[in-house]
Amino acid sequence: TQLLEQSPQFLSIQEGENLTVYCNSSSVFSSLQWYRQEPGEGPVLLVTVVTGGEVKKLKRLTFQFGDARKDSSLHITAAQPGDTGLYLCAGAPQNRDDKIIFGKGTRLHILP
Amino acid sequence: NAGVTQTPKFQVLKTGQSMTLQCAQDMNHEYMSWYRQDPGMGLRLIHYSVGAGITDQGEVPNGYNVSRSTTEDFPLRLLSAAPSQTSVYFCASSSGTYDTQYFGPGTRLTVL
Repeated sequence: TQLLEQSPQFLSIQEGENLTVYCNSSSVFSSLQWYRQEPGEGPVLLVTVVTGGEVKKLKRLTFQFGDARKDSSLHITAAQPGDTGLYLCAGAPQNRDDKIIFGKGTRLHILP
Repeated sequence: NAGVTQTPKFQVLKTGQSMTLQCAQDMNHEYMSWYRQDPGMGLRLIHYSVGAGITDQGEVPNGYNVSRSTTEDFPLRLLSAAPSQTSVYFCASSSGTYDTQYFGPGTRLTVL
């Protein structure tokens, strides 16, 4: 069974600080997605990474896909209260018969 | 363009009652899925459909039925509600199995 482990589970930091959250697996994925979910809403896609070693930037958010396509990280620079939410990673298995797999998420709280 | 809509937003049932959670999308997506989200468990796939008339089971299908008579609609039926089905249910649609998933706002279900 393929698993995606996200760490940390919870993170509470002050506004202006930097942070990194991780999404790790022992399996190789063909692509990996990051979603953000705000309270009372459904997840919304932030980015998809496809190539090993790929780095994508979305304003203050930097996403990296591991060289071996088994892991990914999300780095937030100068966190703001609007970054608060649940961050979920989702991996697309190499076997196209398998379904997309979600990690359990990192719940991020940015204190003003 | 409403995206993915779900009704109701909230529902309380008694054990043994049945109900249908409604999901509709207006993006002409072939792929639709139902997830449940529980604390500490992440998003778990209940059932999915790759097109009208085609449905299949996900990770946690017991106690739920689905049908897909049109491209737009994908209702989820609880046959005989149990307290273990207390959860937040999300419907999602995408143009392909591993493409961006667009989630509805969720239905919060409590079974007493």
